[in-house]
Amino acid sequence: GENVEQHPSTLSVQEGDSAVIKCTYSDSASNYFPWYKQELGKRPQLIIDIRSNVGEKKDQRIAVTLNKTAKHFSLHITETQPEDSAVYFCAASRGEYGNKLVFGAGTILRVKS
Amino acid sequence: NAGVTQTPKFRILKIGQSMTLQCTQDMNHNYMYWYRQDPGMGLKLIYYSVGAGITDKGEVPNGYNVSRSTTEDFPLRLELAAPSQTSVYFCASSYSSTEAFFGQGTRLTVV
Repeated sequence: GENVEQHPSTLSVQEGDSAVIKCTYSDSASNYFPWYKQELGKRPQLIIDIRSNVGEKKDQRIAVTLNKTAKHFSLHITETQPEDSAVYFCAASRGEYGNKLVFGAGTILRVKS
Repeated sequence: NAGVTQTPKFRILKIGQSMTLQCTQDMNHNYMYWYRQDPGMGLKLIYYSVGAGITDKGEVPNGYNVSRSTTEDFPLRLELAAPSQTSVYFCASSYSSTEAFFGQGTRLTVV
């Protein structure tokens, strides 16, 4: 089955700097790659997603890139703000039977002001 | 629009007790899922359903059961609670292979 590895496990950046989180996946049939943000004690919430027919997607300060050949995808956050501090999860899915997501272990992002 | 609603939010169970975690969604999504999240870990899929009357196992189904009698409801049953089932449980729903919306979670402790 699918296996998703996520790095780093923790990331500290200064406010205004950029943050990059990387994930690799094992199943070449996976075609949907969402990123979720989870604040302490809250539910995961989708912040951006990308499908396998697209190499890059951007939404304001957040971007995701996908390299299908290497089977890895990355989350880029520019101009980080204290409210970006949270746990970020990547996930992968084949898009079969709905959206059975396989999650990475998460990255704790701390933005220092 | 409530989205995905889970009850209860917190529960303490004794070893061997049973309970049902409730999940309901009002978005008319055909797909529903149960995940568990252990400390420092990502979410693991327990069971999922592609529509009323149809359920299937995910990555970690042992010790759990589900049913899907209606489109809206997808309860998760723990029959004989064990300390290894201490976790935060999230229900989610989606329309086909689109964004999955999560409930607020149920924090379960088995002592």
